[in-house]
Amino acid sequence: DQQVKQNSPSLSVQEGRISILNCDYTNSMFDYFLWYKKYPAEGPTFLISISSIKDKNEDGRFTVFLNKSAKHLSLHIVPSQPGDSAVYFCAASRRGITGTASKLTFGTGTRLQVTL
Amino acid sequence: DAGVTQSPTHLIKTRGQQVTLRCSPKSGHDTVSWYQQALGQGPQFIFQYYEEEERQRGNFPDRFSGHQFPNYSSELNVNALLLGDSALYLCASSLAKGLSGELFFGEGSRLTVL
Repeated sequence: DQQVKQNSPSLSVQEGRISILNCDYTNSMFDYFLWYKKYPAEGPTFLISISSIKDKNEDGRFTVFLNKSAKHLSLHIVPSQPGDSAVYFCAASRRGITGTASKLTFGTGTRLQVTL
Repeated sequence: DAGVTQSPTHLIKTRGQQVTLRCSPKSGHDTVSWYQQALGQGPQFIFQYYEEEERQRGNFPDRFSGHQFPNYSSELNVNALLLGDSALYLCASSLAKGLSGELFFGEGSRLTVL
């Protein structure tokens, strides 16, 4: 039972254009969402997160949008750069009333290639 | 500031053998989680250790066990290895009281079972 889904295994975008990576989840108990980036032979690195009380969070070129009713989130990268080429994982967790994160449930990843 | 370090980086075992993987968390972190990443998949949660106790566990059999030491470092042990245990094993550290929920991952230990 895949609770976090990334239906696009790969995406190719031209440098300078917008990259949009999508993620869907099924578990309505998830209240915290994160995006991780992974280069080959490295561990995943944290990119950006969003709490379920928000619908948008922005950090520089990266913006995450959350649509709770659709159980859908997306990561926008503007403008895309060749160094953004990596595998992007969407992850979700339940923080609950304590506010501390529990285990992360990851999607299968989307490989982004930014071309010149 | 040292990040999360894992050892060994690569290892090859045969079916039925046992393996121990090691992890040192990022300086200042007190919680260690282990994830298994099979080829083409996202990381899957194995278990989490805090205050030397297993706090949460994912859907993995008892062949997978772990330990956390007083200095917060951790070990992952897998007994009776199966071919399907071949994967990248990722260690992640965090602060139990941290509100961000952000995990810091190591580079992983790639296990091949023949």
